[in-house]
Amino acid sequence: KAGVTQTPRYLIKTRGQQVTLSCSPISGHRSVSWYQQTPGQGLQFLFEYFSETQRNKGNFPGRFSGRQFSNSRSEMNVSTLELGDSALYLCASSPGTVDGYTFGSGTRLTVV
Amino acid sequence: QQQVKQSPQSLIVQKGGISIINCAYENTAFDYFPWYQQFPGKGPALLIAIRPDVSEKKEGRFTISFNKSAKQFSLHIMDSQPGDSATYFCAARGFQKLVFGTGTRLLVSP
Repeated sequence: KAGVTQTPRYLIKTRGQQVTLSCSPISGHRSVSWYQQTPGQGLQFLFEYFSETQRNKGNFPGRFSGRQFSNSRSEMNVSTLELGDSALYLCASSPGTVDGYTFGSGTRLTVV
Repeated sequence: QQQVKQSPQSLIVQKGGISIINCAYENTAFDYFPWYQQFPGKGPALLIAIRPDVSEKKEGRFTISFNKSAKQFSLHIMDSQPGDSATYFCAARGFQKLVFGTGTRLLVSP
């Protein structure tokens, strides 16, 4: 059974640019959650999508957005990148509740 | 109130010793408490989890102790091995999401 796949693994972007990260969940999983991981703040919840609808949202500015497609794949977009957006972005999928969270290996975003 | 406080920040244990990581929470709405293990370059992986109606859960060398009245829970790694060297996160489920502790970097010396 394939795990959660996140692409790309690494990204370097310039301040002010925008970026799109992709997440393919485990087959059959309908929930996708996104987390930002930094050394100082740990794992911070961004948002969760279930059946193409945003079901929950964390305390991040509107520059952070996401969406989910009918095949449960999800994308996360960050516009007007800031240096502080440099982080590991993790995607987790589950059948429907957080009990069954499986994380991907993440996308390491560096903003210069 | 949505925070989970984790300690220590880092821990060095000799091979064969017991590693203990502690977490505390405030919000009694939390109803599921998992522990995750993360190796460098990888995402967190579920290690073991407990619900608040149980005081202890053991899986192999890993044990969660849960004290509902004190709102604390801890992870014990018995017979710690160098392969256990990783970062450990406690978490709590509430408000349809997981709230994570800040992590403990464990180093098991050979």
